[in-house]
Amino acid sequence: DAKTTQPTSMDCAEGRAANLPCNHSTISGNEYVYWYRQIHSQGPQYIIHGLKNNETNEMASLIITEDRKSSTLILPHATLRDTAVYYCIVRDQTGANNLFFGTGTRLTVIP
Amino acid sequence: DTEVTQTPKHLVMGMTNKKSLKCEQHMGHRAMYWYKQKAKKPPELMFVYSYEKLSINESVPSRFSPECPNSSLLNLHLHALQPEDSALYLCASSQLQGVPTYEQYFGPGTRLTVT
Repeated sequence: DAKTTQPTSMDCAEGRAANLPCNHSTISGNEYVYWYRQIHSQGPQYIIHGLKNNETNEMASLIITEDRKSSTLILPHATLRDTAVYYCIVRDQTGANNLFFGTGTRLTVIP
Repeated sequence: DTEVTQTPKHLVMGMTNKKSLKCEQHMGHRAMYWYKQKAKKPPELMFVYSYEKLSINESVPSRFSPECPNSSLLNLHLHALQPEDSALYLCASSQLQGVPTYEQYFGPGTRLTVT
């Protein structure tokens, strides 16, 4: 699996957009970008995934650069409940295709 | 129903005890997973079951013994654990293993303390 690099921590004001970057410069053409988050003492929660195109769902938007070497998860209007560790993971189409978590970004939403 | 349940929520056991963790899902998923998460660390994959058969063992010590009695249930049997095995044990499931478009659904975890 390709490795990802994320900032260790970020703050965001409540009600503002939270933009969480992820670098995956060694990603290959068949590898998906996945985002999960883990609120304190809970299991990880799936947020969104994409391959090449930008994606949006009810939770967030995922912007993938044209060269696919980086991506940004956008929470459009952060709330206090969005405080969590956010994991960016790349998964390939071949093999076991399991999840290997990196260290993630600890997002703190500030009132 | 997109829920994965795990019991117990908390478990304290001695090093000579035998205990089991239980995980259940009713989403018709055919892949189930055990992860271990130490404090302030990311989850680490332990075992993968696909169609009730053990598919992957990530070099986990034999004091951890997984079991998948049917497609909805996954157990983790614990015996002769060490204090360093204290962690949050997470169960997850996905529709199938090996398909990157299928996300994994995680349970809330069992917080295990070995004394």
